Amino acid sequence: EAGVVQSPRYKIIEKKQPVAFWCNPISGHNTLYWYLQNLGQGPELLIRYENEEAVDDSQLPKDRFSAERLKGVDSTLKIQPAELGDSAVYLCASSSGQGATSSTDTQYFGPGTRLTVL
Amino acid sequence: GNSVTQMEGPVTLSEEAFLTINCTYTATGYPSLFWYVQYPGEGLQLLLKATKADDKGSNKGFEATYRKETTSFHLEKGSVQVSDSAVYFCALSVRGTYKYIFGTGTRLKVLA
Repeated sequence: EAGVVQSPRYKIIEKKQPVAFWCNPISGHNTLYWYLQNLGQGPELLIRYENEEAVDDSQLPKDRFSAERLKGVDSTLKIQPAELGDSAVYLCASSSGQGATSSTDTQYFGPGTRLTVL
Repeated sequence: GNSVTQMEGPVTLSEEAFLTINCTYTATGYPSLFWYVQYPGEGLQLLLKATKADDKGSNKGFEATYRKETTSFHLEKGSVQVSDSAVYFCALSVRGTYKYIFGTGTRLKVLA
């Protein structure tokens, strides 16, 4: 079974430029997560989707960050414009459950996209 | 609020040494507890989990017991190998919130 796929693996951009990250979850997984992982820290949730609906985006900085999950499968996370402080690893994860039981569902993580903003 | 505190690393051990990585938590409600491992250049992989008090999660020689009385979920392994070198994250998820709260990670380095 293929795991969570993310691209690109690495991205270097200059500040004020836009950037987009792509994630393909495990087939059949309804729930998709985007996390931000700063150096030396644990991942922090940015947004969670159940199918195509963003059910928790409270931690997403909406002035510059946006995300979409069209057709409830692949997802794209965008930053426009990027700032120096956005340099981090962006992780995508997926899980099979949804609703009240999903808090114990295993989340499967992709390899992440390492963003460097110069 | 909900939080996870892990011991700071790096932890450096010789091969075949005993490993303990401490993890304590604060949670409202009844959390599920997880250990994830992150190898260099890779994403996080679930190592083990426990969903209720006194449960023991185990995998690949690693173990952790959900201790409600001490709010702890310490990771142990009897004999580490060089291939265990990685960053280990403790995490919790409170039922109904879906959100994982991760600790800051503990880097383990095992020397041959």
